Formats: sequence, structure tokens, C-alpha cells
Amino acid sequence: EDQVTQSPEALRLQEGESSSLNCSYTVSGLRGLFWYRQDPGKGPEFLFTLYSAGEEKEKERLKATLTKKESFLHITAPKPEDSATYLCAVPNNAGNMLTFGGGTRLMVKP
Amino acid sequence: NAGVTQTPKFQVLKTGQSMTLQCAQDMNHEYMSWYRQDPGMGLRLIHYSVGAGITDQGEVPNGYNVSRSTTEDFPLRLLSAAPSQTSVYFCASARFTGGDSPLHFGNGTRLTVT
Repeated sequence: EDQVTQSPEALRLQEGESSSLNCSYTVSGLRGLFWYRQDPGKGPEFLFTLYSAGEEKEKERLKATLTKKESFLHITAPKPEDSATYLCAVPNNAGNMLTFGGGTRLMVKP
Repeated sequence: NAGVTQTPKFQVLKTGQSMTLQCAQDMNHEYMSWYRQDPGMGLRLIHYSVGAGITDQGEVPNGYNVSRSTTEDFPLRLLSAAPSQTSVYFCASARFTGGDSPLHFGNGTRLTVT
């Protein structure tokens, strides 16, 4: 059974204080790993897809990296508008279902 | 381009009542799905469809029905609402099935069953 675990559950940062979010996964064959951002009262919004170990993707202050067992979402010099819940997910072997982690709630204070 | 549209945004039901949550997408996406999101449980897949006329069960299908008569629409039916179905429901679509296409989510329906 595919499993996805995210840590920490919640993270409080001061504006400008860089940090990383972790997504550990167990799948029989990795078809890809997705990162999403979810704002309160909204649906998740797609950020990145990573396909193979060593791959990196960047968007503004966010950089996602992937190893064979986990993915990291690095946040450099965060701003209050980066406050959100960040979710990672992996597809099953058939590619017709996504398993989501529980998410990391990020709060950035000015 | 509206993306994925869900209606209603909020709904209160009494135990035993039935209702349909509507979902429509205007992106000609092949894949559509329904998730529920509960505190401490994350997003869990209820049902999904890989094309018109084709549906299948996800992780938590009991108490829910779906159908897909058109590419655009994927309604979720609650047959006899129970308090355990109190949750936020998200519809999501993807261009292709296969895990390569990211999901596009609607903004959810918040359902309370009393």
C-alpha cells in the first residue's frame, strides 16, 4: 500500500527565515511526486511534479527536490503570503489514484 | 476558463437525506475524481472516472455514488447522509489518466450532516 507522510505538521517561521518541508513516501514504483499549495477555504493548487531522484524544480521562493525515499520543499526567505498548507502526493502504479500526505501548515509572520 | 466548478459551496443535511454535489470542468479533461478532506485524515479519494461512461471506486466509496454521462460533468450522490459524511468535498480533474497530469481542483463543498 502506498504511503505518504509529511513533516512537520505545522511550521511557524519569521519572514525571511528559510526552512524545508519533508515528504516521505513508500510506493512500489514511483511514477512521479506532486506538490500542491492549499489556502484556507480553497482547493489545492498545483506547484510541481518531480519524476526521478535528483530532479529539482523551482518557482519563486520555492524549490522542490526528490530522492528515492523523500522529497523536500525548500522555502527561501519566505514572505507572509507564502503562508498556506503544502501537500505532497504520489500516484499508484496504474496512475489512476493519488495518495496524499497529511500536509504541512506553514505560517510566516512579518 | 472557469476550470473546475463545484456547487453548492455549503450544504447542511439531516441524517438520512440524500443530495447531489455537482462538479463541472471546461478543460476537456479525461480524468475526474472526488476527494473528501477531514482534519487529521488528509485528502482521501472517493470515486474517480477515466472517461465518460467509466467510473471506479477509490479509497472510501461507501455511501456515495457517481456517474459520468458527459466529459464535463461528474456528480457525487450521497444516498442516505450520515454524520460521518460531514466533510469538505473536492472535485478534481486532470488532462490525462496515468499519474503524469497534475490535478486541477475546485474550491470545495463544505457539507454538514446533523
